Parts: sequence; structure tokens; C-alpha cells
Amino acid sequence: EADIYQTPRYLVIGTGKKITLECSQTMGHDKMYWYQQDPGMELHLIHYSYGVNSTEKGDLSSESTVSRIRTEHFPLTLESARPSHTSQYLCASSAPSASYTGELFFGEGSRLTVL
Amino acid sequence: GQNIDQPTEMTATEGAIVQINCTYQTSGFNGLFWYQQHAGEAPTFLSYNVLDGLEEKGRFSSFLSRSKGYSYLLLKELQMKDSASYLCAVSASGGSYIPTFGRGTSLIVHP
Repeated sequence: EADIYQTPRYLVIGTGKKITLECSQTMGHDKMYWYQQDPGMELHLIHYSYGVNSTEKGDLSSESTVSRIRTEHFPLTLESARPSHTSQYLCASSAPSASYTGELFFGEGSRLTVL
Repeated sequence: GQNIDQPTEMTATEGAIVQINCTYQTSGFNGLFWYQQHAGEAPTFLSYNVLDGLEEKGRFSSFLSRSKGYSYLLLKELQMKDSASYLCAVSASGGSYIPTFGRGTSLIVHP
């Protein structure tokens, strides 16, 4: 069973606010990811981490930032939210492997609406 | 980069068999995944293919042909709860082995 948790599940905020989406996993996975998904569209990788103090930008340009101070925690922050940030944000993790990423375990997602 | 193509929507009848196709173009292929995503929920892993051939897991099977850049997910004895989006994802060395996802195929199972 996957143990990866995201909070908040739903958030409605005004333009210009700073927000942090939390993601925690209890599986001891080194690799963690943030994907963005709009309705009916593919998941786009926006950030990933291979371990503590490791963060990389993904394929989709994003104004968000991430940090990885602890293995189990991978928060995503938007300094100044805009309506274009309205989307579903999915956090995922995977076990370490020498040659491939392996199965991703996803959290339930954080649905963000910026007014 | 990677290009992944799958049908947008399919419908099928309860108890029937359905095949969802996925074609991809990539360099440094390292594996293909299928995920299931119910509306409003997180994707869940279904299968992984790295070698050519068929992988069977209960009612679900996944096939891969690397030379053709082609995969399919076969769902047998369809149930209403199989109504969901099915996401094809490809892992490639050019993408740090992190899966790149297609748009998904929305499967509607009706009685």
C-alpha cells in the first residue's frame, strides 16, 4: 500500500497570495516528483528530487519552487499565486533503482483554484 | 523529447474485452507503464513492460513492441468500476528515466 499524503486537498485563494502544497511519504523513497495536471490533459513533470538537498526542474516551466530537506517531505511553494496557476498538483515517489524510475506512487492531489 | 499518442475516449459494454492502444516516439527507451486514474483520484500503477511481449496480470494484460513503438492495454471481463482514464507513460534515458505521460484514454463502460 502506498503511503503518500498531500495537503490541502482543495484550496481556493486570491491572486498574489503565497501558498505551500505539502507532500509527505512514509515509504523511505529517495525519489519524489511533482506533476501538474489539467482536466483531460497529460501529467506534466514540474519538479523532481533524487534525495535530500537534490531538486531539479521538470519538463514544464513552472514559477513554483520546491525543497527537499528531509527524505519524507517535498513541499511545493508558489510565492505569488495567479489564476494561470489554477490546476491539480500531484505528488509522487518511487523506490531507488539503478536503471529505471520504477512504479510511481501518487498522492491524492491538491486542487488549486486562484481567483 | 518523447511523443505519446493514445485515443481520447473509448466506450465498451460490461463483460466485454477492450484494447487501448498507445504509440510512442522516444530515444533511449527504458520501459513503458500503464496507470489507471478514476475521476478526481490519483493515478495507480497497472503494469510495466520493458521487453517485447505480453505481460498478464489478472483481467489486465499489457503488450509491448519496441520496434514498432507500440503498446496496448487489454482489459477483459469489463466491470463498471473499470470506467476510468488509462494513462500510457514512457521512461527514457533522455528524460532521466522519469515517466512521461500521454493524455490518457477515457474508458466508459456501460451496462
